[in-house]
Amino acid sequence: KAGVTQTPRYLIKTRGQQVTLSCSPISGHRSVSWYQQTPGQGLQFLFEYFSETQRNKGNFPGRFSGRQFSNSRSEMNVSTLELGDSALYLCASSAVFDRGATEAFFGQGTRLTVV
Amino acid sequence: SQKIEQNSEALNIQEGKTATLTCNYTNYSPAYLQWYRQDPGRGPVFLLLIRENEKEKRKERLKVTFDTTLKQSLFHITASQPADSATYLCALDSAAGGSYIPTFGRGTSLIVHP
Repeated sequence: KAGVTQTPRYLIKTRGQQVTLSCSPISGHRSVSWYQQTPGQGLQFLFEYFSETQRNKGNFPGRFSGRQFSNSRSEMNVSTLELGDSALYLCASSAVFDRGATEAFFGQGTRLTVV
Repeated sequence: SQKIEQNSEALNIQEGKTATLTCNYTNYSPAYLQWYRQDPGRGPVFLLLIRENEKEKRKERLKVTFDTTLKQSLFHITASQPADSATYLCALDSAAGGSYIPTFGRGTSLIVHP
C-alpha cells in the first residue's frame, strides 16, 4: 500500500509570492490534515479536510488555505509569503477506528524556504 | 490554557538501558494519547495509542502508561539501541468538529550511545 505522498519535497520562494503544496493520501483514507512544523513552535495543526469539506481549522491567518478533491487528494495554498512561513509542511491522512481514534500517517513533508 | 509538555532537553542513554520519556498535559481531557517517532527531515511515524481508560499498553520493546489523574504519560523503550535515536512526540486527541484532531507536543530527542 503506497504511503502519503507530498510534492514537492523542497521549495524556495520569495516574500510576497504564493505557493501551492500537494498531498496524496493513502488509498481509502478520506481525512487529510495539514501541519506546519518549525523548531520554535513544533507541530502546529493547520486544517483538516474530510470528503472535500474543511472539518477543522487551526489558528492560522487566512493566507493559509486548502482544499480537497473528490479523489481525496489535497492541496494547501499560502499567499503573500512571509519569512516566518519557512517551515516543514506535513500532510497526514487518517484512518478512523474504534470510537473515532485516528492514527495519522504522515508524508515526508515539503520543506518551504522563504527568502 | 492547554499545554502539552515534553522535556526539551535531549535524553542521552547507553545502549541496552531503558529510555523513559515523559509527556505532561494541562487543561485537556483527552480521549486518547498517542506516541510518534520522528527522524530528521521526515514525517512522524505512529508508534502506540492508549485510551483514557487504559493504564498501560505494550508493543514489542515499547511500553506506554497513561495516568489521567497525574495528567501524564510515560513512554519506555527497553533494551534501547542506537537505531532508536530520534525525536519522540506525544499527541493528545481532542474531539473537535466531529473528529479527533491530535495535538502534538514539541517532542523529546533521544540519543542512544553504543
